[in-house]
Amino acid sequence: AQTVTQSQPEMSVQEAETVTLSCTYDTSESDYYLFWYKQPPSRQMILVIRQEAYKQQNATENRFSVNFQKAAKSFSLKISDSQLGDAAMYFCAYRMEYGNKLVFGAGTILRVKS
Amino acid sequence: DSGVTQTPKHLITATGQRVTLRCSPRSGDLSVYWYQQSLDQGLQFLIQYYNGEERAKGNILERFSAQQFPDLHSELNLSSLELGDSALYFCASSVTVRQGASGANVLTFGAGSRLTVL
Repeated sequence: AQTVTQSQPEMSVQEAETVTLSCTYDTSESDYYLFWYKQPPSRQMILVIRQEAYKQQNATENRFSVNFQKAAKSFSLKISDSQLGDAAMYFCAYRMEYGNKLVFGAGTILRVKS
Repeated sequence: DSGVTQTPKHLITATGQRVTLRCSPRSGDLSVYWYQQSLDQGLQFLIQYYNGEERAKGNILERFSAQQFPDLHSELNLSSLELGDSALYFCASSVTVRQGASGANVLTFGAGSRLTVL
């Protein structure tokens, strides 16, 4: 079974600084998809960024980027120029192929200090 | 608004009771997924339906059941409720298209239904 591990229960970052959240996963598949979801205090699950495993180029979405290391099964999220609104729980998630469920990590709480 | 509608938003009930949570997927999405998030925990997959048929099952208790109707909305039924069933229940939907298609493989989540069992 696929598993997703987020080893940092909590992280802090100063406003305007950069922070990296870690995620590793375990799979025997070669084609899959990886995601970062954000859950603010409202509890809504919001997609931050996604990465297709067949793409070598790391995904970026404005201030959010990933470092995808397929051989190491690592998928970290970098948040640049952190803002107060970035404070949330961040979940890393894996999906084997289209039509399949998401498997989530335990989450990392990100606190942003002003 | 994500396009996935869940009702009710909040529900308070007593142990031993039965409740039904409802989900309307985003227009065009054929798959519906149910997840449970207990206090300060990650999301646990419960069950998935695709176009009316059960597709995958996770850690869903026998006291829980779900179905997806012809109009693609889904219901999650929770019975003989226990204190430990108090949680946020999310519904998500996705469209199933071939690999590489824009928007494929993304689950869109509803706002959740918060269940409190007293």
